[in-house]
Amino acid sequence: AQKITQTQPGMFVQEKEAVTLDCTYDTSDPSYGLFWYKQPSSGEMIFLIYQGSYDQQNATEGRYSLNFQKARKSANLVISASQLGDSAMYFCAMRGLSNFGNEKLTFGTGTRLTIIP
Amino acid sequence: DAGITQSPRYKITETGRQVTLMCHQTWSHSYMFWYRQDLGHGLRLIYYSAAADITDKGEVPDGYVVSRSKTENFPLTLESATRSQTSVYFCASSVDFGDRGSNQPQHFGDGTRLSIL
Repeated sequence: AQKITQTQPGMFVQEKEAVTLDCTYDTSDPSYGLFWYKQPSSGEMIFLIYQGSYDQQNATEGRYSLNFQKARKSANLVISASQLGDSAMYFCAMRGLSNFGNEKLTFGTGTRLTIIP
Repeated sequence: DAGITQSPRYKITETGRQVTLMCHQTWSHSYMFWYRQDLGHGLRLIYYSAAADITDKGEVPDGYVVSRSKTENFPLTLESATRSQTSVYFCASSVDFGDRGSNQPQHFGDGTRLSIL
């Protein structure tokens, strides 16, 4: 079984500051992938970034980076130089990679980020 | 246009009625998923399908039925709707990560907001 925990239900951050959204996970799968999705107020789910458990480096995609600490089972999303358009709900999700056909995602409960001008 | 589309976007119905939510994707993705999103729970998997005529239960399958006669369509049916099934429903699709690598994300439709009175 897999479990994702996002302990911050809501966060308020000043525009242009960096923000870290926490995500911890638990799995018995030796190989797994971690995803972050953004859900703006319009409701769609937007894929942001991926980290594989055996990737040597932390993932980065533009202003998004993943602070992956495998021993601590954490995969925190870092958004640099926050913008008003970053205000949204953010979900951490994972799937195991060891079993053939294991495509299912397990999601956390999300963090609602509000950027203050 | 290519992508994944859900219909209807909004639906209001009464308890005991049967309702079907439609999902159509044009990518020929092998995997398709149905999630429900509820406050405090994030996204929870209802059913998924690895290919046409192959479906399996997710975390919260009770009260739902799916079918997949064609690769591109994955309808979700509530056979006798209950108020507890009021939710936002998301359909998603993905490739088999064995084909293109584990970093392939699930792609989501825009969701169906279902209210059961």
